[in-house]
Amino acid sequence: EVQVVESGGGLVQPGASLRLSCEASGFSVTRSYITWVRQAPGKGLEWVSIIYTGGTTYYADAVRGRFTISRDNSKDTVYLQMNSLRVEDTAVYYCARLIETYSYGMDAWGQGTSVIVSS
Amino acid sequence: QSVVTQSPSASGTPGQRVTMSCSGSTSNVGSNDVYWYQHLPGTAPKLLIYKTDQRPSGVPDRFSGSKSGTSASLAISGLRSEDEAAYYCAVWDDSLTGYVFGTGTEVSVL
Repeated sequence: EVQVVESGGGLVQPGASLRLSCEASGFSVTRSYITWVRQAPGKGLEWVSIIYTGGTTYYADAVRGRFTISRDNSKDTVYLQMNSLRVEDTAVYYCARLIETYSYGMDAWGQGTSVIVSS
Repeated sequence: QSVVTQSPSASGTPGQRVTMSCSGSTSNVGSNDVYWYQHLPGTAPKLLIYKTDQRPSGVPDRFSGSKSGTSASLAISGLRSEDEAAYYCAVWDDSLTGYVFGTGTEVSVL
């Protein structure tokens, strides 16, 4: 069964760092595009970052320069390193797989991990 | 604020047809595939439509997508109570070099 599970969320102060993990099962992250999407309280979905099979990465303007997406092939896990966190980064963070079968639609999502940035 | 805007809400009675819009620009909706996702509170979003008008396996044919120029639409026919959710369009933006989610449409079943 294809599954992704996020972890690593928590409560941190502004300016702190946090690393989120997205562990895949039932497929290999080396052969998939993986993306992070977040939803702030009371707001809509917001795209955050993506890593392609070849290692190319892209970021939303709101997080570029502060967040870094990476991959550990041996653990089938994708990470989102979040530095210099701001109150506005408070959200539930989802990771998702993009699959070529569905023209790179996001077909497998996790349940999300909550990040709260507050003093 | 998202560069792709959606109608904020839509509603209908069971069995009715509802439509929702997704308005963008030539750098996103006008030039790339559009995806639609259904999101219920506390759950993982679900892929409903890919490549503008295609349904993944398991998605009922009550859901249909279309596009004209820089605007896309999602229609739900034969509305059911379980369709009550938020619906988001998503698209790659060539100018931003990133994906963009629309502002979302809340569907209510009266």
